[in-house]
Amino acid sequence: DTGVSQDPRHKITKRGQNVTFRCDPISEHNRLYWYRQTLGQGPEFLTYFQNEAQLEKSRLLSDRFSAERPKGSFSTLEIQRTEQGDSAMYLCASSFKRDRRSSYEQYFGPGTRLTVT
Amino acid sequence: DAKTTQPPSMDCAEGRAANLPCNHSTISGNEYVYWYRQIHSQGPQYIIHGLKNNETNEMASLIITEDRKSSTLILPHATLRDTAVYYCIVRPGTTGGTSYGKLTFGQGTILTVHP
Repeated sequence: DTGVSQDPRHKITKRGQNVTFRCDPISEHNRLYWYRQTLGQGPEFLTYFQNEAQLEKSRLLSDRFSAERPKGSFSTLEIQRTEQGDSAMYLCASSFKRDRRSSYEQYFGPGTRLTVT
Repeated sequence: DAKTTQPPSMDCAEGRAANLPCNHSTISGNEYVYWYRQIHSQGPQYIIHGLKNNETNEMASLIITEDRKSSTLILPHATLRDTAVYYCIVRPGTTGGTSYGKLTFGQGTILTVHP
């Protein structure tokens, strides 16, 4: 399968613990995005990378959240000191920016469902 | 990004065309209309996008009105597997800058295809 993959698919953690999620984008995609989705809502943008550079962060991304894409390939999203309000589906997407005029679609992974107890 | 308005839910009979409307009256000249769908427990899936002209691909057709203030996604022969939440999103084209990457999802339209 050459799609976007995410690991783990499900994570249950206790409040106050740290968690880390991994996203592997489609090979050669230079843009990678993180979104969060709560029940009954559409996904909300968190942050995105072009290659290894983090170009935009949402105000939703509190200082407990950090994302990295060290070599411009896979990415990790870490949540420190988890809270019950962090329970959500965390979605990763990737895309390929060809040139300044091109428009492009994002391909999403299956998501990581986080439950904080 | 321009705001979009979609009906919260729609029904369609299997084999019939599903026509999903979207209003985007504040769309600006460089903004594209994108459609994604999300089947239960999966990540969103790209369907189609357009700027001014109508577009068609293997999944759907996109009809954009001449004033670009609304559009309709058409699934020509809906199947049970088309049951999903459909999101209409307006976003700038990739003409540079760093803020054109994200998608701003609304609540979408829940399409239920009945046997």
